[in-house]
Formats: sequence, structure tokens, C-alpha cells
Amino acid sequence: GAGVSQSPSNKVTEKGKDVELRCDPISGHTALYWYRQRLGQGLEFLIYFQGNSAPDKSGLPSDRFSAERTGESVSTLTIQRTQQEDSAVYLCASSRVSNTEAFFGQGTRLTVV
Amino acid sequence: AQTVTQSQPEMSVQEAETVTLSCTYDTSESDYYLFWYKQPPSRQMILVIRQEAYKQQNATENRFSVNFQKAAKSFSLKISDSQLGDAAMYFCAYKKLTGGGNKLTFGTGTQLKVEL
Repeated sequence: GAGVSQSPSNKVTEKGKDVELRCDPISGHTALYWYRQRLGQGLEFLIYFQGNSAPDKSGLPSDRFSAERTGESVSTLTIQRTQQEDSAVYLCASSRVSNTEAFFGQGTRLTVV
Repeated sequence: AQTVTQSQPEMSVQEAETVTLSCTYDTSESDYYLFWYKQPPSRQMILVIRQEAYKQQNATENRFSVNFQKAAKSFSLKISDSQLGDAAMYFCAYKKLTGGGNKLTFGTGTQLKVEL
């Protein structure tokens, strides 16, 4: 696609439910990243994919968070048993391995009530 | 671990004037990249300017320029001839040159307001 696409744009869920967030990277981009942005704060790194492997998962805050990627395409971030502190904007970015610039999607705003 | 600090939560500038946003960082690496990203209300992060640490010359992109002071670990962004469309949250970010998986480390941001 022309840009990084994320869905849904907004998601409201009840505490304790599972949610899946989707990211479609730019075609041909082998690297994919997930970041979390809490209200009024900067972006926190969650996980990095190179192809469909995840060499860096160091930012995942707990075992309730997981992510997978199909080949060099779509990635899903899953949050199980959501808590109110999970409320944030979840941003996805992609880049070519040899290119330092990361292109971001518009994020998914997750609200846990 | 690398850290990025933006000490100005908010800044204001009059239209057509110049404003400078501050950023400092901490790293033990000698080679790395520094970035300024703009985040408008649409939430999408837009790259404004990039600086390679091994280059002594400060990067410029039209009305945007940086003052990169490697020894002081300072990386400020100057916006000249400010426009209403420049109003946004601005984030400073750091990335290792090698290793680190291209992970960006961000500051907490500076909200820029542009006034008529």
C-alpha cells in the first residue's frame, strides 16, 4: 500500500476482554515496529519484527501482550485480559532494512473501560 | 541504555517568527542517528529532519534546521518563518547506527502552538 495502515482506528473494550490490533506495513518493508503512546507521553517501543521473526521483544510490558507477523506483511498485536492501564494509542511503523527512516501509521486508540 | 530528554512540554511562537525546540540525549555510542518527528492531531508521526552523528554539518530541510552539538549531546530544532500548519507535538528521537534493530527511543515531546 501507499502508507502504513492500522485498524481499527479506535477501539473501546471492557476490562478483561482480549483485543487484536492490526498493522499493514508499506509493501516491501521488511522491518516492522509496534510502539505504545500513553496520553501526554512519548512513544514506548514494544516489539520489532524483521520479516516474520521478532529479534527484539524487550518492550512488551507483560505476558498479556503478544504479536505476530505473517511473512513480510500484516502484523497483529494482541492484548489479553485488558486492563485500564492498557489504554493508549498503539502505533505501528515499517522501514526497509537498509533505510533508516521509519514510516508510521495513524495508530489505534484503545480505551479500556 | 539510551535516553532522550525534552525539557519543554509546551512552546508558543508567533506566525512568521522563529522558534527553537530543545533536546538532549544520553548514549555511550559514537555513531547514531537523531530525528525530529512531528505529530499533528491526526496522530501520524511525520519525519521532519534527520541527522547522522558522524556528520559535522547540521541538517536542514527548508524552514527546519538543527543545531547538533555532539560533545554536549544536544540536538535542537529551529523552525523559521513559523506557519499555522507547524502547530503539533514534536518528538526528538535516537537510533543506534548498528544493532538495536532500528528501534527509536523517543523523548516526551514538546507541544508547539503557533499564534496569529
